[in-house]
Amino acid sequence: ETGVTQSPTHLIKTRGQQVTLRCSSQSGHNTVSWYQQALGQGPQFIFQYYREEENGRGNFPPRFSGLQFPNYSSELNVNALELDDSALYLCASSLGGLADIQYFGAGTRLSVL
Amino acid sequence: AQSVTQLDSQVPVFEEAPVELRCNYSSSVSVYLFWYVQYPNQGLQLLLKYLSGSTLVKGINGFEAEFNKSQTSFHLRKPSVHISDTAEYFCAVSQAQGAQKLVFGQGTRLTINP
Repeated sequence: ETGVTQSPTHLIKTRGQQVTLRCSSQSGHNTVSWYQQALGQGPQFIFQYYREEENGRGNFPPRFSGLQFPNYSSELNVNALELDDSALYLCASSLGGLADIQYFGAGTRLSVL
Repeated sequence: AQSVTQLDSQVPVFEEAPVELRCNYSSSVSVYLFWYVQYPNQGLQLLLKYLSGSTLVKGINGFEAEFNKSQTSFHLRKPSVHISDTAEYFCAVSQAQGAQKLVFGQGTRLTINP
């Protein structure tokens, strides 16, 4: 176990709805990264938060947004859900250094119908 | 920008046989290299990483990988596999500056047959 917990584990939404996914980082970690893993694909970087500020963003539209709280937990929000948003969403926490290991949670599986 | 190519989408091997999972990468800047494993219905677990120094890196569960700069490769090897090694394996790179953003390959599904 990595100490990174994500909730919920599964979620079903319909197209056009909004969703919020949550992540509690490992104790002592100040950096959280979010990844989207479509079925049969490798994870793709969405964005990273370091001490409550966005610290890098991948090639995802603005309807993907996030927050990091003072306790370093994090939320991923997706507006106007599309069918292609169906995926496993992974959260990873780390100490923030370039060479630091990212510890992954088990993910939230989102299905958009 | 960086990219990662895992040359085999599936690799079937018999138990106790050796295995090599191949990974090539492309980058215009210095990178760090990683191998992660994903068991069914679980997140990713780090097997090993290469930052600098010796090009042969040893990881957990008996895995090792060799960094080859001239061939831009980072192949993963294990001399003798076990049924419990059945999983999806991902090669990843991150740039050695700026935010640590992992760029993953498509994954290789390793299936161990008894």
